[in-house]
Parts: sequence; structure tokens; C-alpha cells
Amino acid sequence: GNSVTQMEGPVTLSEEAFLTINCTYTATGYPSLFWYVQYPGEGLQLLLKATKADDKGSNKGFEATYRKETTSFHLEKGSVQVSDSAVYFCALSSGNQFYFGTGTSLTVIP
Amino acid sequence: EAQVTQNPRYLITVTGKKLTVTCSQNMNHEYMSWYRQDPGLGLRQIYYSMNVEVTDKGDVPEGYKVSRKEKRNFPLILESPSPNQTSLYFCASSLSFAGETQYFGPGTRLLVL
Repeated sequence: GNSVTQMEGPVTLSEEAFLTINCTYTATGYPSLFWYVQYPGEGLQLLLKATKADDKGSNKGFEATYRKETTSFHLEKGSVQVSDSAVYFCALSSGNQFYFGTGTSLTVIP
Repeated sequence: EAQVTQNPRYLITVTGKKLTVTCSQNMNHEYMSWYRQDPGLGLRQIYYSMNVEVTDKGDVPEGYKVSRKEKRNFPLILESPSPNQTSLYFCASSLSFAGETQYFGPGTRLLVL
């Protein structure tokens, strides 16, 4: 079946630190991969996506590369800001369905 | 403004009392979906719809119904709510299928007593 496993949180970093949130997946066929972000009290917003192997998605300084050989889609940012504090969800779509990881809460302290 | 709206945003009800959560999008999207978000479980898909009159089960459909009579609306119906349906619910839509960017509503927080 299809599933997403992402790094447990919460994660607390100092401003300007390097961020990695790990995500691995199991899927049949050729899924598309996503990172969504949820700010407190809001719905999810797309952060970035990749639709095929070796694609790199990027947005707002965040990056993730679709690695078929390791079935991974790790999220990285070189220098986090306080405004990046949120919950991050890794997700995949396969067929007509969508599968989310459990979410990783990130807090960035000044 | 392009958006997905949900109503109500907060709801407290009692076991067995039928309720409907409405979802509407103004982007002419074909694909719509409902999710529930629970601590430690992330988001799980309840039902989705590829187009008008086409709906299908997601991972956790038990206890829920949906309908898609118009393209813009996708209500979620709980015929006989139970406490294990206490959760945060999100509606989402995308242009044509699940692999495209989904746009989420603000969420509906439901408490079933």
C-alpha cells in the first residue's frame, strides 16, 4: 500500500540554523510528492512539490529532491527564520488518493 | 479571491445527532476531498470526488457520507456522529486530480459528546 513516514517532532532550532526534516515513502506506481505547511490555526498550504524522480522542488528557501532509489523526499532549508515556525507535512499522491505523514512541528527561536 | 470555504468552523454536538459540514470552492476545480486531522496520525483522507456525481472512499470513510451534486460544493455528512469522530476536518480542492496542488479550507473543529 501507500504510506508516508516522516521524522518525529517537535524540532526546535535557533534562527539561521540548518533544517532537515526526513521523509520516506512507500508507493505503488509513480507518485507525486509534496511538502505542505500548516501555520497555527490555518489550513495547509503547498510549500513545494516534485512529480518525478530526480526533480527538485523549491520555494521560499526550502528544497526537497525526489529520490526514487531511496524512496525519500527530505525537506531542507539552509537558514531558518522565526516565521518558519509551523507544522510540516510530507505527502504523496497515487492514483486518485492522497496520503500524508504525521507532521513535524518546527519552532524557531530568535 | 480564490478560496475554499467551510462551515461551520466550530461545532459541538451530541452522539447520534445528524450534522452536515459544508465545503465550497470558487476555482472551478474538478477534484475535491475531505480529510480529518488527529494528533499523531496526520491527515487521513475520508472521501474524494473526481467530478460531479463521482465520489469514492478514501482511507477512513466509515461513518461519513458525501455528495457532489454541483461542481463547487462537496458537503460532508455525519448521519449518526460518535465521539470517535471528534476531530479537525479539512476540505480541499484541486484542478483535476490528486497529483495537482490542493487548496485547503480553514478547517472545521468538531466535538461530539
